[in-house]
Amino acid sequence: QSVLTQPPSVSGAPGQRVTISCTGSRSNIGANYDVNWYQQVPGTAPKLLLYGRNNRPSGVPDRFSGSKSGSSASLAIAGLQADDEADYYCQSYDTSLSGYMVFGGGTKLTVL
Amino acid sequence: QVMLQESGPGLVKPSETLSLTCTVSGDSVSREDYYWGWIRQPPGEGLQWIGSIYYSGSTYYNPSHKSRIALSLDMSKNTFSLKLTSVTAADTAVYYCARHLRFVPPGDWGRGILVTVSS
Repeated sequence: QSVLTQPPSVSGAPGQRVTISCTGSRSNIGANYDVNWYQQVPGTAPKLLLYGRNNRPSGVPDRFSGSKSGSSASLAIAGLQADDEADYYCQSYDTSLSGYMVFGGGTKLTVL
Repeated sequence: QVMLQESGPGLVKPSETLSLTCTVSGDSVSREDYYWGWIRQPPGEGLQWIGSIYYSGSTYYNPSHKSRIALSLDMSKNTFSLKLTSVTAADTAVYYCARHLRFVPPGDWGRGILVTVSS
């Protein structure tokens, strides 16, 4: 069972905006640790999508954005495209792990 | 550009030791401030941090595995390694090695290696 909770699946039509939630607790997201986001196409390694305060690695379009409030965070994807279909994982840090990494269980995004 | 590549047996028997090595190119495992970590993903499941080793050799383990895990660095070969003892079917997963800084998420990952625990 993952430390951070995500919905198993979300879907949207091309061009729409979707959000993926990530719920934690006072020992991780609520402890003011950053929430980072990964995209994973099945069979490949996760790709870092967002980190820190909405920073995007080179090549990641600004259609992807993140937000955080209290012990929860969200990833928003605007202008949905077919190749956005993938699994998305949130990641933060937890005081119970001496500030080391915890992940969400992942959300499968289906582009209708 | 740094590249990481996992290697090791794809099949391990229950109760035995899983041993994997990550070969690093384009960077040095002795580079100051960097951590070298292992993250796994059971089939159809999410990601789980196993542990990380600092460039100085200090180790940090997920408490869920702490009694069974050992990480090490080999600066002469520019590799780092994972040993997980007394494996069970629950340790079947794709194992990724990755590079990261403290409180900076891993941006560089290996391609992953599937390890199956079965007799």
